[in-house]
Amino acid sequence: NAGVTQTPKFQVLKTGQSMTLQCAQDMNHNSMYWYRQDPGMGLRLIYYSASEGTTDKGEVPNGYNVSRLNKREFSLRLESAAPSQTSVYFCASSTRQGVYEQYFGPGTRLTVT
Amino acid sequence: GNSVTQMEGPVTLSEEAFLTINCTYTATGYPSLFWYVQYPGEGLQLLLKATKADDKGSNKGFEATYRKETTSFHLEKGSVQVSDSAVYFCALNKDSSYKLIFGSGTRLLVRP
Repeated sequence: NAGVTQTPKFQVLKTGQSMTLQCAQDMNHNSMYWYRQDPGMGLRLIYYSASEGTTDKGEVPNGYNVSRLNKREFSLRLESAAPSQTSVYFCASSTRQGVYEQYFGPGTRLTVT
Repeated sequence: GNSVTQMEGPVTLSEEAFLTINCTYTATGYPSLFWYVQYPGEGLQLLLKATKADDKGSNKGFEATYRKETTSFHLEKGSVQVSDSAVYFCALNKDSSYKLIFGSGTRLLVRP
């Protein structure tokens, strides 16, 4: 089992460029999440998908869009990157039963210049 | 609203020292509580969890007890190793919500 995989691992963008971060999980989880991690601020939820076909805003959704492509895949798109979006992005997934413990991918380190 | 507060880091210890990282939470009812660990350059890994009052979660020598009376879930380890150097996050999950609420993380540095 690969668990949660993310691509790319690193990316440098210029202000105004767009890109899509990819995430896939092979644990048959229903729910998937995108977080950003900034120094001293822990993890903040950007968007989540409780189940295939649904997406909802989290704490910091502005400047991002998401697509739940199928049960396995959940992508995050930056339409017009800004320096404030320089961060490490983590994807996670969880079941919809029990205590909803989340499993995380290795992260994408994004720098916007 | 629901929140998690962790002690500020970094915490610097010598190998084999006793570790405590404090975590307190604010939430009504009985949230589930978690500790996650993030090793350098990696994603978060679930370290342990507790789902009801007085539960003790344990894994890899780490322990934490769910204390409803003090709304705390402090992480402890009797003898730390250099390989335990990482950032530790306390988190809660309320009413089987999909969302985890994280503390800001505590960096642990263990010196040989």
